[in-house]
Amino acid sequence: DTAVSQTPKYLVTQMGNDKSIKCEQNLGHDTMYWYKQDSKKFLKIMFSYNNKELIINETVPNRFSPKSPDKAHLNLHINSLELGDSAVYFCASSWRRRQLGELFFGEGSRLTVL
Amino acid sequence: KNEVEQSPQNLTAQEGEFITINCSYSVGISALHWLQQHPGGGIVSLFMLSSGKKKHGRLIATINIQEKHSSLHITASHPRDSAVYICAVGNQFYFGTGTSLTVIP
Repeated sequence: DTAVSQTPKYLVTQMGNDKSIKCEQNLGHDTMYWYKQDSKKFLKIMFSYNNKELIINETVPNRFSPKSPDKAHLNLHINSLELGDSAVYFCASSWRRRQLGELFFGEGSRLTVL
Repeated sequence: KNEVEQSPQNLTAQEGEFITINCSYSVGISALHWLQQHPGGGIVSLFMLSSGKKKHGRLIATINIQEKHSSLHITASHPRDSAVYICAVGNQFYFGTGTSLTVIP
């Protein structure tokens, strides 16, 4: 069983469309994250979600919205896609509580906006 | 300026060489993570450490909290170690820019 799974793995779409990427973890972790990896391979935090507390990186456009139906899922919805949104998006999970636990990553979702 | 700086950015080594990758950070942390990203793109966690030293096989990670510095060492390097190594710190996981390692047979 995959610990952190993301779908789809590849997504090609036109500018202006709305798309979602799903993420599920079966590790029982209390915190989930979304990261964006740009063309230079630099990873940057977008969101973290812990027990209904959402922490947003202020540099993330409000076209991006995380949705967590339950502790095991954190989906990423993107409105009005732009060319600059093309990147690989990684979901991850960990324990937080008093001290951060090990990070477990999904395989990544490569988004290409045409 | 990035909260996490890694050096070197690129590293080429001959098989069998001892390798060191450095990470310096400017934020207060409870733990530091070393991650590995293979050419296929997947990211795996190698170490999480908050003090001292940890060892897994040929990999050793050390951290000096006072100096805000960590090192990742690879002993007897092998071509399968070729990957990007990323340092991450902080509650929101600030990432270094990564060190691209190529080990030549």
